Amino acid sequence: AQSVTQLDSQVPVFEEAPVELRCNYSSSVSVYLFWYVQYPNQGLQLLLKYLSGSTLVESINGFEAEFNKSQTSFHLRKPSVHISDTAEYFCAVSDSLASYGKLTFGQGTILTVHP
Amino acid sequence: NAGVTQTPKFQVLKTGQSMTLQCAQDMNHEYMSWYRQDPGMGLRLIHYSVGAGITDQGEVPNGYNVSRSTTEDFPLRLLSAAPSQTSVYFCASRIRQGSGYTFGSGTRLTVV
Repeated sequence: AQSVTQLDSQVPVFEEAPVELRCNYSSSVSVYLFWYVQYPNQGLQLLLKYLSGSTLVESINGFEAEFNKSQTSFHLRKPSVHISDTAEYFCAVSDSLASYGKLTFGQGTILTVHP
Repeated sequence: NAGVTQTPKFQVLKTGQSMTLQCAQDMNHEYMSWYRQDPGMGLRLIHYSVGAGITDQGEVPNGYNVSRSTTEDFPLRLLSAAPSQTSVYFCASRIRQGSGYTFGSGTRLTVV
């Protein structure tokens, strides 16, 4: 069985400051890792994913995440946030070897960017 | 518009009533799933399907039924609504293992 722990339920930050949203996972098998973003009253949108290869993955809007196998982490970072980044962020994991690969989500981190 | 369409967006039910949440996708995705979202608990998998005619239970299947007669549609049925089923329900689809899910905009259900 897999599990995901997002270490912060809420992260307040000022505009243009850096931010890190922390995610740790537990799994006995090889995994795929994902970050999703949910804006108010909307569905989730895929932000970025790690399947294999380079451990640093980037999104089109400046976020990046690094897969650290030894620490079983997949923290999300952005060097300078904008007001528009205010949203809830979910880390998720799936078994890369399973035919279906159920997606297990963390509890979510609410990022609030203040002017 | 390509994507995942969920109806209705809002619904209030009385305890014991039944209803069907509709989900349709036009991307020819084989994999479809239903999740419920509750505050502080993330999203939990209710049921999923890997193709027409094939469904399986997720983490929290009790009180829900699904069927997949076509690739496009994946309805979720609440058999006898209970207050514990008050939640936001999301349908999602993806093309293959490892690809990201496309989510619908959700159905906010209140059971009184």
